[in-house]
Amino acid sequence: AQTVTQSQPEMSVQEAETVTLSCTYDTSESDYYLFWYKQPPSRQMILVIRQEAYKQQNATENRFSVNFQKAAKSFSLKISDSQLGDAAMYFCAMWGTSYGKLTFGQGTILTVHP
Amino acid sequence: EPEVTQTPSHQVTQMGQEVILRCVPISNHLYFYWYRQILGQKVEFLVSFYNNEISEKSEIFDDQFSVERPDGSNFTLKIRSTKLEDSAMYFCASSQGQIYGYTFGSGTRLTVV
Repeated sequence: AQTVTQSQPEMSVQEAETVTLSCTYDTSESDYYLFWYKQPPSRQMILVIRQEAYKQQNATENRFSVNFQKAAKSFSLKISDSQLGDAAMYFCAMWGTSYGKLTFGQGTILTVHP
Repeated sequence: EPEVTQTPSHQVTQMGQEVILRCVPISNHLYFYWYRQILGQKVEFLVSFYNNEISEKSEIFDDQFSVERPDGSNFTLKIRSTKLEDSAMYFCASSQGQIYGYTFGSGTRLTVV
């Protein structure tokens, strides 16, 4: 089995500041992939960033980056220069080769204050 | 950019009625999925579909649920006899290869009254 845990139900950040959303996971697999999805009020799930577990280098997509700590099974998302449009629910997710489906965490609601 | 299209965006149905939720996945994708999200809760896996058959299903996906890809473009989820607890947002997703992540549709909000 694989589990994903987001321990922060809500976070807030001032516009232009940096915020980090936490995620931990548990799996027995050696080959897996980790993702962060954004769900704005429109409810659509949008892929933000992806990390291959076999890569040590942390993934980066513009203002979004991850801190992947494989030994600790931790996968946090850092949003730099936060914008009002970043306000959304953020889901951490993982996909394992044997498990074969995307498993989501509980989500973190991010509020961005002007 | 290619997208997954879901219709309708919102459906209200009476308990015990059948509903069909429709999805058009991205054309060159091979894997198809249905997930659901009860309001304010986590996103839950229902079923995956590959090579014209179900590859995996969750405990939620009981005999009341079925999926079909009738014409090579649409991917449907049918609930035969809806219950109040089926009220949720249903998301369709597709992927070209599962390691790349899934592309989700905008969802269908199902309300059972």
